[in-house]
Amino acid sequence: DGGITQSPKYLFRKEGQNVTLSCEQNLNHDAMYWYRQDPGQGLRLIYYSQIVNDFQKGDIAEGYSVSREKKESFPLTVTSAQKNPTAFYLCASSQVGRSYEQYFGPGTRLTVT
Amino acid sequence: AQKITQTQPGMFVQEKEAVTLDCTYDTSDPSYGLFWYKQPSSGEMIFLIYQGSYDQQNATEGRYSLNFQKARKSANLVISASQLGDSAMYFCAMRERTNTGNQFYFGTGTSLTVIP
Repeated sequence: DGGITQSPKYLFRKEGQNVTLSCEQNLNHDAMYWYRQDPGQGLRLIYYSQIVNDFQKGDIAEGYSVSREKKESFPLTVTSAQKNPTAFYLCASSQVGRSYEQYFGPGTRLTVT
Repeated sequence: AQKITQTQPGMFVQEKEAVTLDCTYDTSDPSYGLFWYKQPSSGEMIFLIYQGSYDQQNATEGRYSLNFQKARKSANLVISASQLGDSAMYFCAMRERTNTGNQFYFGTGTSLTVIP
């Protein structure tokens, strides 16, 4: 089945450690996105990528890094520079077309203590 | 200015009744898109409906319809015949073009509770 996978579903880390969240899609979509969601809040864009080997900062990119070496994969690294990393992280992808609809993965809940 | 504004943090509706969730937006891009997503407690984001800025008619998808009032910059979601399974968070979102591609903006959401 086509879709987006994110792993793991829950992730626990100690403060000061970098952590990488996985996002893979087999929808053959060109664009991929990373969002952060805090309790009771909407989604905020961290990074997005329209094509392989290119990505752009979103509204809250500080303390995060990404890579896009393959069309199917868009991993997000939460660095120790991110002051409040505990959040729910959602990955999405979309295809250029009429609707620009985004398809979302199931999310990763990161807890940093 | 906020790109997407949802002014109803929480809404209640009786089962089988209709409910309207409000959304206003702000953009200078003439070619934008508006979306509604549903987020159950499991956390996944489920696409419900899309409206393009040039679409003449309001979008409909089953029990969902989007009341698009372009001059007022509003894109309200109407859910008809509410079901218990409709209880969830609902997010309005907008896609607009930038120099570097398409960006998406989300509102803060409305928590809908369907009462039996």
